[in-house]
Amino acid sequence: GAVVSQHPSWVICKSGTSVKIECRSLDFQATTMFWYRQFPKQSLMLMATSNEGSKATYEQGVEKDKFLINHASLTLSTLTVTSAHPEDSSFYICSARESDITYEQYFGPGTRLTVT
Amino acid sequence: AQKITQTQPGMFVQEKEAVTLDCTYDTSDPSYGLFWYKQPSSGEMIFLIYQGSYDQQNATEGRYSLNFQKARKSANLVISASQLGDSAMYFCAMREGSVGGNQFYFGTGTSLTVIP
Repeated sequence: GAVVSQHPSWVICKSGTSVKIECRSLDFQATTMFWYRQFPKQSLMLMATSNEGSKATYEQGVEKDKFLINHASLTLSTLTVTSAHPEDSSFYICSARESDITYEQYFGPGTRLTVT
Repeated sequence: AQKITQTQPGMFVQEKEAVTLDCTYDTSDPSYGLFWYKQPSSGEMIFLIYQGSYDQQNATEGRYSLNFQKARKSANLVISASQLGDSAMYFCAMREGSVGGNQFYFGTGTSLTVIP
């Protein structure tokens, strides 16, 4: 099946620094990638949708200047959390879809971010 | 109004028994898709089963089946012959609109514990 990887799987950073999370589709080309955020024991909340070569579409309430998304190629999307604060600590999950005619999105294993 | 409602925060089931996880949804779009995902403690989202709004028959995938009652707007997941490895969080999700639609909504999840 389709595989999506994320790197790093966990990261600890100091408040005020920036951290980049990579999402890669390993065996397929992803026309669309999605970024989710999940707080402990809560559901996934969609943060943004990105298509290769175009600007990401952010959900309401998500600061686009804080969460920078770059979908540079059909196999790579990155999420950069800028000037991180402790409240940004969360589990970030990406997913990827192979084409617009398929319903399924394949999820990455997630990245746990802790901001100290 | 909540797009996806999962009313069971936690469920217990005896090993080898069947269990039903409830999910109701809310949409006025005639075209939509319903998904169930499993999230073990490792965090990865594992796709289990899909039901399209126009599908006439209930979806089945191995030990998983989806009890789709369109008039009631419910899409309950039935796991037969529960195994210890089924212990995890289970999320119901809905994609509104056409197959290529980007609006994905997740429920709050149900924590399933399988008792030996």
